Amino acid sequence: GAVVSQHPSWVICKSGTSVKIECRSLDFQATTMFWYRQFPKQSLMLMATSNEGSKATYEQGVEKDKFLINHASLTLSTLTVTSAHPEDSSFYICSTRRAPRNSPLHFGNGTRLTVT
Amino acid sequence: DAKTTQPNSMESNEEEPVHLPCNHSTISGTDYIHWYRQLPSQGPEYVIHGLTSNVNNRMASLAIAEDRKSSTLILHRATLRDAAVYYCILINAGGTSYGKLTFGQGTILTVHP
Repeated sequence: GAVVSQHPSWVICKSGTSVKIECRSLDFQATTMFWYRQFPKQSLMLMATSNEGSKATYEQGVEKDKFLINHASLTLSTLTVTSAHPEDSSFYICSTRRAPRNSPLHFGNGTRLTVT
Repeated sequence: DAKTTQPNSMESNEEEPVHLPCNHSTISGTDYIHWYRQLPSQGPEYVIHGLTSNVNNRMASLAIAEDRKSSTLILHRATLRDAAVYYCILINAGGTSYGKLTFGQGTILTVHP
């Protein structure tokens, strides 16, 4: 069964509004989660690393004030797209890992964000 | 993480075996070879991974070259549901950034009925 649950699977919002995407690890504690973004016909690109109890680490070129990440518990990380614009429309995917270190990585089913 | 090279696309017929190649000439001794696949409008799904020895699971087999500079994902009998983008990724289990993946373009597998 699913190891990582991502919600919502799709969302349509108006320009200027904010959208929150949740990523939950279902049967284990995830101290670290990763957020990716995927534009049509392109590969996944890492946006940020979410660490439980501390600030997220953002990749170069990703605006931390626009993409707010909160990892307040060991099973939940959230990504909030603030003041969304049409160019933020994309497929957002979270992933996480569990011990031991050579274990497979698990991905959420993704969230399709459309900003009108 | 070291880079991998995969063909952009491959085609197969249903019920036939598929061999998806991946080159990783700069692989280090602690890099694991992981394969994931992504079906349309879904997140990537784990397929298989290995370090040095060939690996088999219910989904596929992974054949790793003796020098580890290349590997092949083998789908023994392709089905229409296997049509996806397949990503070959090296992951250094000893690194502090384990799980922080760099995705290439992958191989788009088309399966014909």
